[in-house]
Amino acid sequence: DAKTTQPPSMDCAEGRAANLPCNHSTISGNEYVYWYRQIHSQGPQYIIHGLKNNETNEMASLIITEDRKSSTLILPHATLRDTAVYYCIVRVHTGNQFYFGTGTSLTVIP
Amino acid sequence: DADVTQTPRNRITKTGKRIMLECSQTKGHDRMYWYRQDPGLGLRLIYYSFDVKDINKGEISDGYSVSRQAQAKFSLSLESAIPNQTALYFCATSDARTGAGNTIYFGEGSWLTVV
Repeated sequence: DAKTTQPPSMDCAEGRAANLPCNHSTISGNEYVYWYRQIHSQGPQYIIHGLKNNETNEMASLIITEDRKSSTLILPHATLRDTAVYYCIVRVHTGNQFYFGTGTSLTVIP
Repeated sequence: DADVTQTPRNRITKTGKRIMLECSQTKGHDRMYWYRQDPGLGLRLIYYSFDVKDINKGEISDGYSVSRQAQAKFSLSLESAIPNQTALYFCATSDARTGAGNTIYFGEGSWLTVV
C-alpha cells in the first residue's frame, strides 16, 4: 500500500485559505488520492478525490503534482467549522481498502 | 435517518464479557468495513467484507470476529473483551460498482469502554 505523510498539525486564520500538504511518493499509477476529515469524534466525512488532474468541488480543491508524489488540499476560505483532523489517503485499487493515517489536525483561529 | 447506522452508540462492558456491535446500511453498498480509533490516533482497519460470502482481516483483527448476515448488515464481536479494546468503533460502506474512484461512508461511531 502506498503510504502518506502529513504534518501533525496546522493553524489557519479564519477567512484565509488553508493549504494542507500530503506526500505520497510511492503512489502507483492507478491509485487515487482521497481526502477525508473528521470533526471531533464524528465519522470521517468525504471531501474530494483525484487521480491526476486537479479537482474542485463545493468544499475544496485538490492539487496533485505532475509526478503525483504529493498533493495539497485547499480550503479557500476557512471557517471555524473547518477545524478538524484531515486525512490524506491513497487507495489500494485492487483491494479497495481505505487505510487512514493520523492525519493533520487543522485549527482555524478567529 | 442515517444511511449507516451503528448500535449501540455507547456501551460499557466488563473484562471477559462478549460484546457485539451491529451495523446496518440503507445505501445498497456491497462493501462494509469496521474500523477502530484510539484517542488521538487515526483509524485502523479491523475487518472488511466485499460481499456476504467474503470476509477479510484488516490491520488489527486479533481479538475480533465479524459476521456479514446480509448485504446490509455487518456485525463486529469481541468474544472476550479486554480493557485495551476500549475505543471508538466505526462501521463504513462503499460501492465497488462505482469504479476505482468510489468513496467510503462512515457511521456515527460506537463508543466501547471495557472495565
